[in-house]
Amino acid sequence: AQKITQTQPGMFVQEKEAVTLDCTYDTSDPSYGLFWYKQPSSGEMIFLIYQGSYDQQNATEGRYSLNFQKARKSANLVISASQLGDSAMYFCAMREVSGGFKTIFGAGTRLFVKA
Amino acid sequence: GAVVSQHPSRVICKSGTSVKIECRSLDFQATTMFWYRQFPKQSLMLMATSNEGSKATYEQGVEKDKFLINHASLTLSTLTVTSAHPEDSSFYICSASPQGGAINNEAFFGQGTRLTVV
Repeated sequence: AQKITQTQPGMFVQEKEAVTLDCTYDTSDPSYGLFWYKQPSSGEMIFLIYQGSYDQQNATEGRYSLNFQKARKSANLVISASQLGDSAMYFCAMREVSGGFKTIFGAGTRLFVKA
Repeated sequence: GAVVSQHPSRVICKSGTSVKIECRSLDFQATTMFWYRQFPKQSLMLMATSNEGSKATYEQGVEKDKFLINHASLTLSTLTVTSAHPEDSSFYICSASPQGGAINNEAFFGQGTRLTVV
C-alpha cells in the first residue's frame, strides 16, 4: 500500500501567486516526521520543510508552509509568492520510528511557474 | 549545513562491467546511510539501508548480489553495481543523517550519480 500519496503529477502557477501541493500519508506509527524536498533538473534533493507528528503548530520556512491536518493524514505544502526558480519536482516524504528512520517518498509533483 | 558527497556524478560503462559509487558524509558521522534509485520522471525508490560494520538491509525486490553495499566506516558507504546491464541505467542517490538520528533529523542527500550502461 502507498504510504505517501501525491495526486498531482503536474501543477501550473502564475509567478507571484501561491500554490498548494497535496500530500496524504498512511501510517499507524504515532511517531513520524513529514518532509518536503525540491528536486530541480540537476537532480539534487533540497530540503524545504519538516513537520513532526507531535508538533502542534504548522511548520513554516520562509515562503514555504506546511498545512498539517493530522486527523486527515494530510501534509500539504504551500508555496507563497511563487518564483520562476520554484519550477521543479516536489516530493513529500515520511520517516517513521518503526521504519528505522528510512525516508519514504511520494511520487512527486512537477511544478511549473509561469511568467 | 551537513554535507554528503557522492562520486562520481556521471558514469558510462559497458555492459557486463561493474561500477562503484561512493557516498561520503563530510562533516558528520553516519551509522546508517540509504541508497535510492530514481528512474526518469519517477520517485526515489529505496533500495537498501547501509549499516556501518554490518550487512546492508535490502528492500523487497532488490537483488543483493547485483547491488553490493559496503559501509566500512562512519563516513563512507559504497554501492557497487555488478555486471551492469542497460536496464541498470538510472539515477542513484544516497542519503545520510547524523549519528543517533532522530525522526526530525534532516536526511542529507548526495548529488546523485547518473549511470548509463551501454
